[in-house]
Amino acid sequence: AQKITQTQPGMFVQEKEAVTLDCTYDTSDPSYGLFWYKQPSSGEMIFLIYQGSYDQQNATEGRYSLNFQKARKSANLVISASQLGDSAMYFCSSRYTGNQFYFGTGTSLTVIP
Amino acid sequence: EPEVTQTPSHQVTQMGQEVILRCVPISNHLYFYWYRQILGQKVEFLVSFYNNEISEKSEIFDDQFSVERPDGSNFTLKIRSTKLEDSAMYFCASREGLWQNQPQHFGDGTRLSIL
Repeated sequence: AQKITQTQPGMFVQEKEAVTLDCTYDTSDPSYGLFWYKQPSSGEMIFLIYQGSYDQQNATEGRYSLNFQKARKSANLVISASQLGDSAMYFCSSRYTGNQFYFGTGTSLTVIP
Repeated sequence: EPEVTQTPSHQVTQMGQEVILRCVPISNHLYFYWYRQILGQKVEFLVSFYNNEISEKSEIFDDQFSVERPDGSNFTLKIRSTKLEDSAMYFCASREGLWQNQPQHFGDGTRLSIL
């Protein structure tokens, strides 16, 4: 079963504009965590932002924010004021019960100058 | 800032040979993971490790694979009798605890190429 779904294989955004990367998840667990990671072309995985299932407010971390819609089971990443250095793969990840994390297929973001 | 380190950064091996991928997790972290990412595909969970034993493993993690924490710092992934389809980037990650909001910290990965 698909645990995490990212439906946008590739996205383009103009520099300084905002962009939303979609992520939906699938769980019946009441307690879970959602994470976003950035993977530049150099290959490393960089943690960006976290949203907990019980959090009342959307997470924010600098230019990153998470549009968390629990009823729709979505946790979209919003990047404001895009920069050329934001060009990378972005992975949504979830942790339900247990100690296993699930990753989506990723979205390749290209920032256009 | 402390980081997860992986060696080597690139490993080239003949099919059928054994490889050992090495990782040094962040020192105060208690949970360790291995992931695989075949070129252009998503990150796949292999195994998690806590208190010197495997806590969870995926279907990918069959008898060909094993993990070990031989001392207080290293965390290794051994792949026996490698196959062409084992070619991938292998990421090690560690996590401080099991609080929900604690992310995994990843190493830079080892690119494994099987010839």
